[in-house]
Amino acid sequence: SAVISQKPSRDICQRGTSLTIQCQVDSQVTMMFWYRQQPGQSLTLIATANQGSEATYESGFVIDKFPISRPNLTFSTLTVSNMSPEDSSIYLCSVEGGYTQYFGPGTRLTVL
Amino acid sequence: AQKITQTQPGMFVQEKEAVTLDCTYDTSDPSYGLFWYKQPSSGEMIFLIYQGSYDQQNATEGRYSLNFQKARKSANLVISASQLGDSAMYFCAMRVVKAAGNKLTFGGGTRVLVKP
Repeated sequence: SAVISQKPSRDICQRGTSLTIQCQVDSQVTMMFWYRQQPGQSLTLIATANQGSEATYESGFVIDKFPISRPNLTFSTLTVSNMSPEDSSIYLCSVEGGYTQYFGPGTRLTVL
Repeated sequence: AQKITQTQPGMFVQEKEAVTLDCTYDTSDPSYGLFWYKQPSSGEMIFLIYQGSYDQQNATEGRYSLNFQKARKSANLVISASQLGDSAMYFCAMRVVKAAGNKLTFGGGTRVLVKP
């Protein structure tokens, strides 16, 4: 199974600012996924990040708001830009491992 | 489009008893995978069990078993001998196997509270 770490684990931010979340995997993976979980809700996919190409965003998510970088096969970042209280969520990165999909520990973001 | 439905928002279960969490899915693709994840209050997503659409046997992993009824499009999770540490949110998810972008689609989740 893949071991995934995320930084920061949690943060409290002011509205209008941006936060970059890092995701590190202990093995090379082709695709990395970024999910958002709003309070009391299920997980929703934000985008899929392949190394060396633009991320593919799901409906309702745009690159200007959630820019993603994927500089190599073990690392990715998600930036939450111009934050508002509605962005308060847990953000999780995920990778495929064999037949299943593993998740990082999540970044708990609170926007004031 | 794929859809996952979990109709039980919350459940109580007595310690040491078994509990069944319901999950129904909808897809027109013949090749797909079904997953169950546990999310404790810490927020991490813990993979529990997987069932492929072509698997003949129901999946089992320790105290977890998946009751896969393909014709009914259901994939219920059974937790046997519940423990206090099983108290958490449980999510059913589906992944359709495609050439690219094998994303997971999640159900709304079921909160389980194990009573001593």
